[in-house]
Amino acid sequence: EAGVAQSPRYKIIEKRQSVAFWCNPISGHATLYWYQQILGQGPKLLIQFQNNGVVDDSQLPKDRFSAERLKGVDSTLKIQPAKLEDSAVYLCASSLRRDNTGELFFGEGSRLTVL
Amino acid sequence: LAKTTQPISMDSYEGQEVNITCSHNNIATNDYITWYQQFPSQGPRFIIQGYKTKVTNEVASLFIPADRKSSTLSLPRVSLSDTAVYYCLVGTPQGGSEKLVFGKGMKLTVNP
Repeated sequence: EAGVAQSPRYKIIEKRQSVAFWCNPISGHATLYWYQQILGQGPKLLIQFQNNGVVDDSQLPKDRFSAERLKGVDSTLKIQPAKLEDSAVYLCASSLRRDNTGELFFGEGSRLTVL
Repeated sequence: LAKTTQPISMDSYEGQEVNITCSHNNIATNDYITWYQQFPSQGPRFIIQGYKTKVTNEVASLFIPADRKSSTLSLPRVSLSDTAVYYCLVGTPQGGSEKLVFGKGMKLTVNP
């Protein structure tokens, strides 16, 4: 079974530029999550989708971050404009169950460096 | 918000049994307890999940006392490849950002 796919693995940009990350969850997984992991910290949930609808985006900095999950499969996370503090690994995860009692499957992440 | 507290780090040796504790004093009735493992440059990986008493799978055991205010992840006979960060999470069967909150985790170092 294929895992969660993310791209790009690495991205370096200058502040105020924009960047987009792509995620393809495990086939059949209705729930998709984007996490931000700053070096030395645990992952922080940015947004959770159930199919193509947003379940929770309360911790997403909406002035610069946006995410969509068209057709309830792939998802894109965009940052525009980027700030230095956005340097982090962006992890995508998917699960079968909506109620957070099931296993989350994570991708390898996209490492962003903002200069 | 069900918050978890873990030791920052732990050292062990190959072949030993390692017990990692997690405190979750504010755990809610519907919360499950889940443990993840994370290696450098990888996403977290599910280890085990439980609600009460004891759960065992092929890689670990999870012990949860009756009051559920703490839990212990037990790794039998660790090897060097078990060196990683371990996260304890509590989650409720509802959506929301307060669910499945990762703390800083605990860094386990297994020495030869």
